[in-house]
Amino acid sequence: GAGVSQSPSNKVTEKGKDVELRCDPISGHTALYWYRQSLGQGLEFLIYFQGNSAPDKSGLPSDRFSAERTGGSVSTLTIQRTQQEDSAVYLCASSFGSPLSGNTIYFGEGSWLTVV
Amino acid sequence: DQQVKQNSPSLSVQEGRISILNCDYTNSMFDYFLWYKKYPAEGPTFLISISSIKDKNEDGRFTVFLNKSAKHLSLHIVPSQPGDSAVYFCAAKGGNTGKLIFGQGTTLQVKP
Repeated sequence: GAGVSQSPSNKVTEKGKDVELRCDPISGHTALYWYRQSLGQGLEFLIYFQGNSAPDKSGLPSDRFSAERTGGSVSTLTIQRTQQEDSAVYLCASSFGSPLSGNTIYFGEGSWLTVV
Repeated sequence: DQQVKQNSPSLSVQEGRISILNCDYTNSMFDYFLWYKKYPAEGPTFLISISSIKDKNEDGRFTVFLNKSAKHLSLHIVPSQPGDSAVYFCAAKGGNTGKLIFGQGTTLQVKP
């Protein structure tokens, strides 16, 4: 596709259930990021994948959160035993190469998660 | 610890005037700074960036200024247009990681 694609665009789930959010980065982009934005808050870094290197997981808020990236392309963010405070928009982004080179990072439109 | 701070949650400007959005950071290792614009229900879009070796970068109506000694950067939009109304995020990265740290965002409203 032309841009970063995320699915589902909206998800309402019951507290305690697991959810999976999917991200298809721009073709050829080696770097992939997950951020989340809670209501009234800024963009919070979650995890960063760069090529075959070990991901930077320093932003994951708890062990209920995990992410993987298969084949260097599609990524899935999994939230286990969801809590109401997990309600946020989860944004995926990708870039060609490392942003250390100043490469532009492109965001998807986000997956809006509501935990009830 | 908020390493990137946008202390003004909102800003209102008249069309045609200058909009100045501010951002402060605490980590002296940051070496690259970016501004993103976000419309409701859309993902952020890249606007302009600046390397720490520069103090100014200009792109059309948008100019970013960097004051390293003050650990401060600002985005100037001139002239402001109603279509510029959005949330503006500053972001920074540094060291050996590609991780971007974002500020909380400033909501800009440009009135016709």
